[in-house]
Amino acid sequence: EPEVTQTPSHQVTQMGQEVILRCVPISNHLYFYWYRQILGQKVEFLVSFYNNEISEKSEIFDDQFSVERPDGSNFTLKIRSTKLEDSAMYFCASYPQGASTDTQYFGPGTRLTVL
Amino acid sequence: QKEVEQNSGPLSVPEGAIASLNCTYSDRGSQSFFWYRQYSGKSPELIMSIYSNGDKEDGRFTAQLNKASQYVSLLIRDSQPSDSATYLCAVTDGGNNRKLIWGLGTSLAVNP
Repeated sequence: EPEVTQTPSHQVTQMGQEVILRCVPISNHLYFYWYRQILGQKVEFLVSFYNNEISEKSEIFDDQFSVERPDGSNFTLKIRSTKLEDSAMYFCASYPQGASTDTQYFGPGTRLTVL
Repeated sequence: QKEVEQNSGPLSVPEGAIASLNCTYSDRGSQSFFWYRQYSGKSPELIMSIYSNGDKEDGRFTAQLNKASQYVSLLIRDSQPSDSATYLCAVTDGGNNRKLIWGLGTSLAVNP
């Protein structure tokens, strides 16, 4: 069964450094999402992406964040200058166009630790 | 601010009992409702989805939806120790984006 994959599974970085989190959505999916979950808190929507552009972003998704689909398979989340409060699990999800349900398929997540 | 509320628990039930998990949501425009199971440090795993009022059964799981009351529930029959996890309620935003709005989750412990 096709699945969403994410790399790396764990990323440790120093405050102020740039990180890129990578996702490979399911191949025929056209809607992509990033969510994050700070330890002990709710899963939060960050950004959605469709047709090679951002369709919606949350208040969290400020100028330090960007997303890209550099080729036909990868979907990346970049944090330009990481802060301590960016430490969280980051989940990528995808969704097929024209599906009869709204089910999003989640990747296994990347744990980002900012020191 | 669109919210999804759940009792954080922990909810503790004996093995074989029925576990009942509840969720309320604020956005009357939400159309799709999901229950996810999450183990510590792992990604959410879809358990059930429900789109119309009433009950939906899948094996030991039953989801119930009442849009008038803005209420979703999940019943787990014949609870097993392996069901011990955090159960997250998520609903779609009433806009066109289908982004998910999440509850904090209810921690369930099934005791042998």
